[in-house]
Amino acid sequence: SQTIHQWPATLVQPVGSPLSLECTVEGTSNPNLYWYRQAAGRGLQLLFYSVGIGQISSEVPQNLSASRPQDRQFILSSKKLLLSDSGFYLCAWSIDGEHGYTFGSGTRLTVV
Amino acid sequence: GQNIDQPTEMTATEGAIVQINCTYQTSGFNGLFWYQQHAGEAPTFLSYNVLDGLEEKGRFSSFLSRSKGYSYLLLKELQMKDSASYLCAVAQAGTALIFGKGTTLSVSS
Repeated sequence: SQTIHQWPATLVQPVGSPLSLECTVEGTSNPNLYWYRQAAGRGLQLLFYSVGIGQISSEVPQNLSASRPQDRQFILSSKKLLLSDSGFYLCAWSIDGEHGYTFGSGTRLTVV
Repeated sequence: GQNIDQPTEMTATEGAIVQINCTYQTSGFNGLFWYQQHAGEAPTFLSYNVLDGLEEKGRFSSFLSRSKGYSYLLLKELQMKDSASYLCAVAQAGTALIFGKGTTLSVSS
């Protein structure tokens, strides 16, 4: 069966520090991968999605970036965090984008 | 532009029936999803509609009218554990799911 792993679960980082969040999927090949952010009291905002290795689509211009170095690995990064980057970050995967997503357990990031 | 609207909050009592509405205006449509999200947790899949009509799954049902850009999620025999946020999301070809802001449902005894 397919599983998705996301870590860390919680993170407190100072303003201006770098960020790296990792997501891996097991039990499937060539999944579509997604990064969403959910700010307090707000909906899920799509940040990046990827349909294959090295293919990244950005939905919202900001100081975040994403990479897909391997088929089942998706990384969200920042060189310098802002206070506004605080939120709940969710990684998700789907086989074709039309049959629902399975989400990872999320990372709660607090920038102080 | 793309817009998905759903009520911010709803309240109901145990054993009751509640209907959560969702209207959407998107540039493409490949189906509509409902997700449940408990506080501090990841969303979990509830239902998927791509054709007009009602899909029933236990206590939960979901309805879609593509011509009206409208869907609803119907929860029957409410239980305390149904207190959560319910997210409406639209699928479009070639891109990712677009989510509404979610409806927070509070079930009281």
